[in-house]
Amino acid sequence: EDQVTQSPEALRLQEGESSSLNCSYTVSGLRGLFWYRQDPGKGPEFLFTLYSAGEEKEKERLKATLTKKESFLHITAPKPEDSATYLCAAHPGSSNTGKLIFGQGTTLQVKP
Amino acid sequence: DAGVIQSPRHEVTEMGQEVTLRCKPISGHNSLFWYRQTMMRGLELLIYFNNNVPIDDSGMPEDRFSAKMPNASFSTLKIQPSEPRDSAVYFCASRSPPGQGLYGYTFGSGTRLTVV
Repeated sequence: EDQVTQSPEALRLQEGESSSLNCSYTVSGLRGLFWYRQDPGKGPEFLFTLYSAGEEKEKERLKATLTKKESFLHITAPKPEDSATYLCAAHPGSSNTGKLIFGQGTTLQVKP
Repeated sequence: DAGVIQSPRHEVTEMGQEVTLRCKPISGHNSLFWYRQTMMRGLELLIYFNNNVPIDDSGMPEDRFSAKMPNASFSTLKIQPSEPRDSAVYFCASRSPPGQGLYGYTFGSGTRLTVV
């Protein structure tokens, strides 16, 4: 069964304290691994897509990496405005419908 | 671009009443998805349309749920009759045709449904 698991569920950081969020996936033939940011009361906002192991993408203080079993979202010197829930999702190769399998998310709180 | 537009933003209804949620996808996007988000189950796909045709409705909880997409610019998700366990945030998302990059969906702001 296709599955995506994120850890930790919640993470509290001091401003400037770098850390990483983990996304482990078990899917049949990964076609893409997606990262989203979700603020309270809003829909998920697209951040990155990774397609193959070894790929990396960066945006401001965020960097996403991908291996054959997991993805990491590295947050460097976070600021309070980075506080949000971060979701990862996998697009299985068995799915021709574009169906994404979402993890439960990691809620990040950055304190000033 | 106004993005994916959902209405209403909030809906409070009594158990047994009919509820209709609405979605306008991004112009040019040919795939539309309805998701439901709860604390317990996270984001769950309910139904997926491609070129206005329902492709995968395996996530629809039961016959009380139905979805339509009469044209490329409008979709509805209907719950009849509604029950308290249907309380959740319902998201609509759209995606561009294949070949334009396998990038992520664009989500709407969601409809928060409360059934009392």
